[in-house]
This record gives sequence, C-alpha cells and structure tokens, in this order.
Amino acid sequence: GEDVEQSLFLSVREGDSSVINCTYTDSSSTYLYWYKQEPGAGLQLLTYIFSNMDMKQDQRLTVLLNKKDKHLSLRIADTQTGDSAIYFCAEMDSNYQLIWGAGTKLIIKP
Amino acid sequence: GAGVSQSPSNKVTEKGKDVELRCDPISGHTALYWYRQSLGQGLEFLIYFQGNSAPDKSGLPSDRFSAERTGGSVSTLTIQRTQQEDSAVYLCASSLGILVGASYNEQFFGPGTRLTVL
Repeated sequence: GEDVEQSLFLSVREGDSSVINCTYTDSSSTYLYWYKQEPGAGLQLLTYIFSNMDMKQDQRLTVLLNKKDKHLSLRIADTQTGDSAIYFCAEMDSNYQLIWGAGTKLIIKP
Repeated sequence: GAGVSQSPSNKVTEKGKDVELRCDPISGHTALYWYRQSLGQGLEFLIYFQGNSAPDKSGLPSDRFSAERTGGSVSTLTIQRTQQEDSAVYLCASSLGILVGASYNEQFFGPGTRLTVL
C-alpha cells in the first residue's frame, strides 16, 4: 500500500536551519503537505506543493520536491524556539485521501 | 468559535463499553474526516464524508467502528466494545470540499478527543 516515511526526531540549534525529510511511495500523488502540531494544539497546515512543482518558498519555509526520487523536504531557516513542534508530511492520493507520515519532532537546542 | 470542535476532549472508559465521539465541522465545509493518532505512531486515516455519504469505509480498523454524519454537518464516530488498543487521540478535520485545487483540500483540524480504554 501507499506509505509515507519520515525520521522521528530532528535536533537543531537555535538560529540554524532545520531540514525535515519525507519519502513517499505513491507515484500518482497530486499534492504534498506539511502540517505542524504544537503541544496541546490541533494540526495546522504549514504549506503545500503541487506535484508538478519542484520548489516553493514562503518566508522562512522552503519546500523541495524531487518527484523522481519521491522525496519531499521542508527547510526552516533561522529556527526559533517557537518552531518546536511535530511536523507531519502528507500526500494526497488519487482518491483524495491524505496518507500521513509518523511525524518528525523538531527539538531546538539553545 | 469558527473552528472545528470535538467533544469530549477526554474520555476514559472501561474495556467493553461503547463510546461516541462527536465532531462539529466548520460551517459550510462539505467534507469531514476522521483520523486516529496512537502513541508513537503517525496519523491513521479512518474515514471521510462528502456531504452525508462515506464513499470508502475501508480505513475503519474493525467492524466495531462506525461513523455517521447527518444534515451534512455534525459527525459521530462510535466505537463498540472498546479494547485497550483503541486508546488514541481521535482527530476530526473538515474542508470546503475534496476537489479542485489545494485550497479546497486544506483540512482544518479539531483539537481531538483523547480516548483511554482501561
């Protein structure tokens, strides 16, 4: 079946860039998403990218998509303590369902 | 408020009891989704509704799980004869629709219901 994989943890120093990686298996993905879940809060859509794009930039966030390798990444520039959260990668399959990764917990070191 | 709401926020129940979880989507959103997040695992898609109908129920973990939506609005997820492995956070989301572009597909999530089965 379709699968989305991400590392469970990423630790970075405050001020550095964070790069969260995700791989997926569905070659018919239409959209790919990054969601953020802060402690005690619901999920928040951070950004998305259409499958025919290879890059999208939004302020401190840069999404890179390598469709050939089925690899998606989220880069957060100048990481701040407020970026501490779990980041979920998700892809939308041909049935309009979201297939989710397990989430990457971003830990910020002072 | 204008967001997705879920109730109860926390539910502790005994093994074998039935539970009902409720989701109030954002007004005007035709699509509604149920997910489950177990400890240490990713989000697991359960079911979605377009209007009142659920085209695909194959994501429900077992026949103890059922969901309905009436009036194109509120949805309930019912778990019968709960088991300890049902313990998880159950998340509901809604979106304008499921077709036509990413803006339609943006799902707004509720805070979840934390279910603990003793």
